[in-house]
Amino acid sequence: DAKTTQPTSMDCAEGRAANLPCNHSTISGNEYVYWYRQIHSQGPQYIIHGLKNNETNEMASLIITEDRKSSTLILPHATLRDTAVYYCIVREPGSARQLTFGSGTQLTVLP
Amino acid sequence: DVKVTQSSRYLVKRTGEKVFLECVQDMDHENMFWYRQDPGLGLRLIYFSYDVKMKEKGDIPEGYSVSREKKERFSLILESASTNQTSMYLCASNRPGTGSRNTEAFFGQGTRLTVV
Repeated sequence: DAKTTQPTSMDCAEGRAANLPCNHSTISGNEYVYWYRQIHSQGPQYIIHGLKNNETNEMASLIITEDRKSSTLILPHATLRDTAVYYCIVREPGSARQLTFGSGTQLTVLP
Repeated sequence: DVKVTQSSRYLVKRTGEKVFLECVQDMDHENMFWYRQDPGLGLRLIYFSYDVKMKEKGDIPEGYSVSREKKERFSLILESASTNQTSMYLCASNRPGTGSRNTEAFFGQGTRLTVV
């Protein structure tokens, strides 16, 4: 699985959009970008994934650059409950290989 | 609602005890995983299984074993618990496939194990 680089921490004001970047310059053609988050003392939670087109669901939007070397997760209206560690992972979907989590980005939503 | 359930939320065991952590998923997933999570080290894979009775070592298998006798259940065994195995243990499952649909991983709520 390709390696990813994320900022260690970010702050965001409540009600504003949170934009979390991820670099994955060694991503291969059949690897997808997945995002998970982990709220303190809970298991990680799936958020969204994509290959090359931008994706949106009820939780977030995912913007992937045309060269696929980076992506941005957007939480359009952050709330205090969105405070969590956000992980960006690139991998082949459904692979039996391990999910390799890096250190992620600690997002703190401020009141 | 899909679910991965770990048998205990908190567990305290003594050094040298044999410890069983159980994980059950109700999504008919082929792949199941056991991770441990420690401050500053992120999630580290212990073992994973891609089918009943099949297992593969992850990054840190030493001191652990696993059992997958039924598709829905994946057990992590600490043969002789030690204090350095005090950690948060997370179970996950997903579906294999060549497409991306429905292959995301689902995690249990975690078991915080303390070995004294």
